[in-house]
Amino acid sequence: TQLLEQSPQFLSIQEGENLTVYCNSSSVFSSLQWYRQEPGEGPVLLVTVVTGGEVKKLKRLTFQFGDARKDSSLHITAAQTGDTGLYLCAGFFIDFNKFYFGSGTKLNVKP
Amino acid sequence: EAQVTQNPRYLITVTGKKLTVTCSQNMNHEYMSWYRQDPGLGLRQIYYSMNVEATDKGDVPEGYKVSRKEKRNFPLILESPSPNQTSLYFCASSPQNRPIYGYTFGSGTRLTVV
Repeated sequence: TQLLEQSPQFLSIQEGENLTVYCNSSSVFSSLQWYRQEPGEGPVLLVTVVTGGEVKKLKRLTFQFGDARKDSSLHITAAQTGDTGLYLCAGFFIDFNKFYFGSGTKLNVKP
Repeated sequence: EAQVTQNPRYLITVTGKKLTVTCSQNMNHEYMSWYRQDPGLGLRQIYYSMNVEATDKGDVPEGYKVSRKEKRNFPLILESPSPNQTSLYFCASSPQNRPIYGYTFGSGTRLTVV
């Protein structure tokens, strides 16, 4: 059983389209991060959110943390081919004093 | 440049031959960890260390050993590798003694055990 559920698992879109990726849990996060990983490379931290309801923007990427701190979303506006990669959410869980990764969303942006 | 350095990047070895994957960070981070990444299973924590001489098991520690004699180094040791340890391995570090604000990852070590 996955503590973090990410959806969708796979996403293939055309350049210029918008997309949203979701990360959900039944437990409360102390903090949540989003990472982007390219094949054969280590994940790169994009953002950390800690406050319920928090919204952060990184150029065309918008990250939202749910009010109850049990879910998060990543929205990409006008996707580019350079956005292709594996997007991972990860969180530190207060209840378990542990850090877990979701299984990831594999994004392919076609030219 | 602030980074986590792993070596080697690629390694092919035979069953039973002891090996060590090195990991070093130059950010004075307290917390270091090893993960393995397998298709369909995601990133799973092998071992972690909250500080020098303080290590603990993660979710999949069997067949692995670690040590943290210095703050910057956290080597992963496979005493007797087996084919089911074929995987992509990542070392990661975090500033505090828990990874609350996320990790800096190394570039990975692709290990094949034949």
